[in-house]
Amino acid sequence: GESVGLHLPTLSVQEGDNSIINCAYSNSASDYFIWYKQESGKGPQFIIDIRSNMDKRQGQRVTVLLNKTVKHLSLQIAATQPGDSAVYFCAENTGGFKTIFGAGTRLFVKA
Amino acid sequence: DADVTQTPRNRITKTGKRIMLECSQTKGHDRMYWYRQDPGLGLRLIYYSFDVKDINKGEISDGYSVSRQAQAKFSLSLESAIPNQTALYFCATSELGQGRGTDTQYFGPGTRLTVL
Repeated sequence: GESVGLHLPTLSVQEGDNSIINCAYSNSASDYFIWYKQESGKGPQFIIDIRSNMDKRQGQRVTVLLNKTVKHLSLQIAATQPGDSAVYFCAENTGGFKTIFGAGTRLFVKA
Repeated sequence: DADVTQTPRNRITKTGKRIMLECSQTKGHDRMYWYRQDPGLGLRLIYYSFDVKDINKGEISDGYSVSRQAQAKFSLSLESAIPNQTALYFCATSELGQGRGTDTQYFGPGTRLTVL
């Protein structure tokens, strides 16, 4: 069945280091992928997205990489800051409204 | 996101009570959603609505009902609350982007519901 999973439920990084959060998806028909950030007490917030016709997309301090061959998605955060501490969700969209969310990875940033 | 608001933010109720959670949005989006979030399970879709006249069940609709009162308002009801409905509930909105599969969702701040 369809699923979006995460390799690591918790990630701890030193402030200033780069963070990499990984995600595996199972539906090869998925053609749109999104990363969300959820801070404590708040709803998920859109960070960056990527379509299946791309393998890399960059935003401000964030980069998403898509490897369709192995159905893997990653979020890279450059120069991680304390404000980056949150739960990060990957999500896949198989067309239209249906978005499947992963369970999330909690990122801790150590000062 | 201040464009999507939810009330109440926290609610404690007893088994068997009827509860309504409300969601309002000022983004002008046609699509609205209700999710529940449980630890380790991510977000699961309860109901979704593409416009005022279109309501659809999600993957876990049993025990819930919804009402789309207007484009900007989408409420979720628990007809007879039970303890395993204790969770964090999120409302979200979206508009279909250009092309297939570009449905970015914008979430409200959530409602923490506890059923005793």
